[in-house]
Amino acid sequence: NAGVTQTPKFQVLKTGQSMTLQCAQDMNHEYMSWYRQDPGMGLRLIHYSVGAGITDQGEVPNGYNVSRSTTEDFPLRLLSAAPSQTSVYFCASGVTSGSTLYNEQFFGPGTRLTVL
Amino acid sequence: KQEVTQIPAALSVPEGENLVLNCSFTDSAIYNLQWFRQDPGKGLTSLLLIQSSQREQTSGRLNASLDKSSGRSTLYIAASQPGDSATYLCAVNVAGSYQLTFGKGTKLSVIP
Repeated sequence: NAGVTQTPKFQVLKTGQSMTLQCAQDMNHEYMSWYRQDPGMGLRLIHYSVGAGITDQGEVPNGYNVSRSTTEDFPLRLLSAAPSQTSVYFCASGVTSGSTLYNEQFFGPGTRLTVL
Repeated sequence: KQEVTQIPAALSVPEGENLVLNCSFTDSAIYNLQWFRQDPGKGLTSLLLIQSSQREQTSGRLNASLDKSSGRSTLYIAASQPGDSATYLCAVNVAGSYQLTFGKGTKLSVIP
């Protein structure tokens, strides 16, 4: 049971480049999400999904796209990278109940992205 | 909008000491509260989850309490060890929301 996995661990991009951060989980969780962590800001929600084909925006969605075609995978796409997107990105998964997060959320090891 | 505050931002204690980390939140309509540990350059490890109907949870040397009415949670660490050195994050989930709102964390250093 690998839990939540993320690739790559590190990435350096130039301004304007695009890339996809990968996230996978093997716990059959319907809920998956992406957060970014910046110094002095705490973690902030970018996008989330409550099941295959269902996604929604979080607190800071601009500049990012997501899709969910399978229960296991939830990739995050940067369409045109900007220096302001330099951050550490975490993927998480968990169980929902009704319209809320029922139980503990499990986080991946993170992707450290630098945009020059 | 839910806001989560953790005080102090940093704490340094000698090995063996018992310590308390504090977390406060502005909206008491939470569904649950989760404490995480984050080591430098690493991901988040879940320590304890407290549902809104619970007052406390225990795991080994860790004890987390919740007082919804006052908007506070504490994480008690007994007999601290150098291996406890890390940043501890508190996160709350408001009922009806799919979002965790995080505090900025308390950086703990346990000195041998």
